[in-house]
Amino acid sequence: GAVVSQHPSRVICKSGTSVKIECRSLDFQATTMFWYRQFPKQSLMLMATSNEGSKATYEQGVEKDKFLINHASLTLSTLTVTSAHPEDSSFYICSARLRGNTGELFFGEGSRLTVL
Amino acid sequence: KQEVTQIPAALSVPEGENLVLNCSFTDSAIYNLQWFRQDPGKGLTSLLLIQSSQREQTSGRLNASLDKSSGRSTLYIAASQPGDSATYLCAVRPTGANSKLTFGKGITLSVRP
Repeated sequence: GAVVSQHPSRVICKSGTSVKIECRSLDFQATTMFWYRQFPKQSLMLMATSNEGSKATYEQGVEKDKFLINHASLTLSTLTVTSAHPEDSSFYICSARLRGNTGELFFGEGSRLTVL
Repeated sequence: KQEVTQIPAALSVPEGENLVLNCSFTDSAIYNLQWFRQDPGKGLTSLLLIQSSQREQTSGRLNASLDKSSGRSTLYIAASQPGDSATYLCAVRPTGANSKLTFGKGITLSVRP
């Protein structure tokens, strides 16, 4: 299957700092990427849809100024958690949709963010 | 609004057993359904994708079926192994150009040696 790489896998930061997470589709072009957040023992919560070359579409209740998404190329989307606080600590996962009829979705390995 | 349900939330079986994981959804107007596996602290691995026009898909010991009219999908795992222990999630994609997946909460499977 297609490979989606997410980096970093773990990050610890101090409250008030900003953290950037990268999501790359390694062997295919992804016009659409998705960012999810997952709480312990819960399913995935869609945060935003990232479209190459245009502004991301955020889900209701997700602050766009807090979670900045940039999708500058067909293989890279970034999520920046600005002025992070302990309540932002979570597991963030990106996914990329394969172009074509199947529209299959492939996920990165996830990034564990801990804000002290 | 699409709702995806996976029951039970957890399942424990002895090694070698054949098992079925269930997934139900409320809106049958779907584009496809995808089964994923998630290991603790990891991302999701795509297992099988079934298009709305298909009835089933197979990959190795895994077989997924889809019955759109009844809003159900099953993931069949043959001859289960301890390495199959993980959380299995199903996700439904509705029709529409920019449609988004709706996930179930997953079934945490434990295969005992």
